[in-house]
Amino acid sequence: DVKVTQSSRYLVKRTGEKVFLECVQDMDHENMFWYRQDPGLGLRLIYFSYDVKMKEKGDIPEGYSVSREKKERFSLILESASTNQTSMYLCASSLSMPSGSRTSGANVLTFGAGSRLTVL
Amino acid sequence: AQSVAQPEDQVNVAEGNPLTVKCTYSVSGNPYLFWYVQYPNRGLQFLLKYITGDNLVKGSYGFEAEFNKSQTSFHLKKPSALVSDSALYFCAVRDWQTGANNLFFGTGTRLTVIP
Repeated sequence: DVKVTQSSRYLVKRTGEKVFLECVQDMDHENMFWYRQDPGLGLRLIYFSYDVKMKEKGDIPEGYSVSREKKERFSLILESASTNQTSMYLCASSLSMPSGSRTSGANVLTFGAGSRLTVL
Repeated sequence: AQSVAQPEDQVNVAEGNPLTVKCTYSVSGNPYLFWYVQYPNRGLQFLLKYITGDNLVKGSYGFEAEFNKSQTSFHLKKPSALVSDSALYFCAVRDWQTGANNLFFGTGTRLTVIP
């Protein structure tokens, strides 16, 4: 069974702390994503990566950074946590799809169970 | 620009009745459209997708969705709702011509099936 594993389900941190959220996938997917989920706002993309050491900003990258040193691992880093970063964080992965391709099965995201972060 | 709208935050339906969860989209080119479901304290699970071809798409757990290009809609449907269908449902879109691999998600619709 394919899996995306997020290392922490629940975290409580203090304002100003550095926070690491880890995500590992075992499907050899090229693409990995970090979303945050907030009530009434749905999922918003923070960062994504389409290859090792590659990253691109999503819609809300401010206050976050990412690291992808290995294909299977994508880390989200909060350099100095703030209370407005209290949220559910979802990691996902997918196969890559060439531009303009209509390959069946591409772009289905497989999600982890989520990491609920509370910043006090 | 790509966007998705789910006009209803909450949908209630009696068990055994048909259900519909609405979604409209906006893309500059041709859309890929997806439905995902989220059960409590879980990540999102893929339900179904529209890429091309038949406008009626069948997916997991008896769900189906109809792509309507003229109305730019992709409503999720099920003929007979189960209590276990109660969950949060997300519609998502990607414009396959842009070359980006990420999806844009709607704000979600909470479905409650009443026994």
